[in-house]
Amino acid sequence: GAGVSQSPSNKVTEKGKDVELRCDPISGHTALYWYRQSLGQGLEFLIYFQGNSAPDKSGLPSDRFSAERTGGSVSTLTIQRTQQEDSAVYLCASSLRLAPSSYEQYFGPGTRLTVT
Amino acid sequence: AQSVTQLDSHVSVSEGTPVLLRCNYSSSYSPSLFWYVQHPNKGLQLLLKYTSAATLVKGINGFEAEFKKSETSFHLTKPSAHMSDAAEYFCVLSQGNLIFGKGTKLSVKP
Repeated sequence: GAGVSQSPSNKVTEKGKDVELRCDPISGHTALYWYRQSLGQGLEFLIYFQGNSAPDKSGLPSDRFSAERTGGSVSTLTIQRTQQEDSAVYLCASSLRLAPSSYEQYFGPGTRLTVT
Repeated sequence: AQSVTQLDSHVSVSEGTPVLLRCNYSSSYSPSLFWYVQHPNKGLQLLLKYTSAATLVKGINGFEAEFKKSETSFHLTKPSAHMSDAAEYFCVLSQGNLIFGKGTKLSVKP
């Protein structure tokens, strides 16, 4: 079956511009996660959604970052006024549900964001 | 605080020799632990997971890991390395969201 898909695969933007990154989770997965992978910081959790519950935004690095999940499926991560330190690979993952924590997360291929 | 420490940033082995990638964790709760692998320009793939059942966990591609509570370790092993094993490996602690170690890059020499 189809895995987690993300678009675009690559995005180059100018400093100060806004960007939107999209994630399509596996059908039927109620939990969706965003992570960021960068050279200096490794893999960092950003935000997760579980069903209709309020998202856990505890990993978002600043208020320039936001995410939404429409209809319990597709999610969009938005970065406003991009900075060079936002350059990274943004990974999306989904799992059947959030708890228990043993549920496997399936990762998409990522979006490579470059801020010039 | 929960955390994961991968003790080696880079491990190099010869093809056909054993692989050992070390991981220690810190958790206030009974942990769920995973190993993920990331091949160049590819997505993260689950190798194996520990969820409080058997302490010796077998995964894909001949990898296995042993959960040792007394040592707070979850080291990844493989008896015989293959060239295709060259990749970056992440030890991961789950608390709903995942806490990743810094990664260990495995190189396999012919």
